[in-house]
Amino acid sequence: ETGVTQTPRHLVMGMTNKKSLKCEQHLGHNAMYWYKQSAKKPLELMFVYSLEERVENNSVPSRFSPECPNSSHLFLHLHTLQPEDSALYLCASSQDQGLGSGANVLTFGAGSRLTVL
Amino acid sequence: RKEVEQDPGPFNVPEGATVAFNCTYSNSASQSFFWYRQDCRKEPKLLMSVYSSGNEDGRFTAQLNRASQYISLLIRDSKLSDSATYLCVVSRWDAGNMLTFGGGTRLMVKP
Repeated sequence: ETGVTQTPRHLVMGMTNKKSLKCEQHLGHNAMYWYKQSAKKPLELMFVYSLEERVENNSVPSRFSPECPNSSHLFLHLHTLQPEDSALYLCASSQDQGLGSGANVLTFGAGSRLTVL
Repeated sequence: RKEVEQDPGPFNVPEGATVAFNCTYSNSASQSFFWYRQDCRKEPKLLMSVYSSGNEDGRFTAQLNRASQYISLLIRDSKLSDSATYLCVVSRWDAGNMLTFGGGTRLMVKP
């Protein structure tokens, strides 16, 4: 266990479904992130939250909607996804975001593997 | 040009071999450097940070060359358990210290 827990681990959904991915961290970190990992592509940063405020939205389509109710929880709400959205979605946390050496070292959850049919 | 570039490999080496990976980054504003390791179908995990003076952790040595904008990872006496994808990660002070990941270099250590 890394201290970052993601659920569900696997999700299959149709293009008209609405689902949510959940992430919880028990590390006392102040920043949380969503990354997308597709086959043969580098990790892509999607969203960053620092102290529950969104500080980065990396040109992600509106069919992905993040929510950060507190510094320990992060959600990614999914609706009307496309088959090309099938990927591994990784949640991560760090002590802080951009506040000095080591503060932005990421601890990842195990990921939610999403398949869109 | 990609911001962080790595040779995807795979590097196939026998147990006990020494293997080195390089990674180049394009932005001179890059500030912090890391190597992460990702096992098949698992999440990335921090392997080591890379310091300006170079640093060593057991069989692993990381070096930074700011002038040429590359970092390297050397693995000595390779073990079967070293088989994984090694991700080069860079942060930039002018981008909120956000981390940018390379595509990874796959290492396969064979008996």
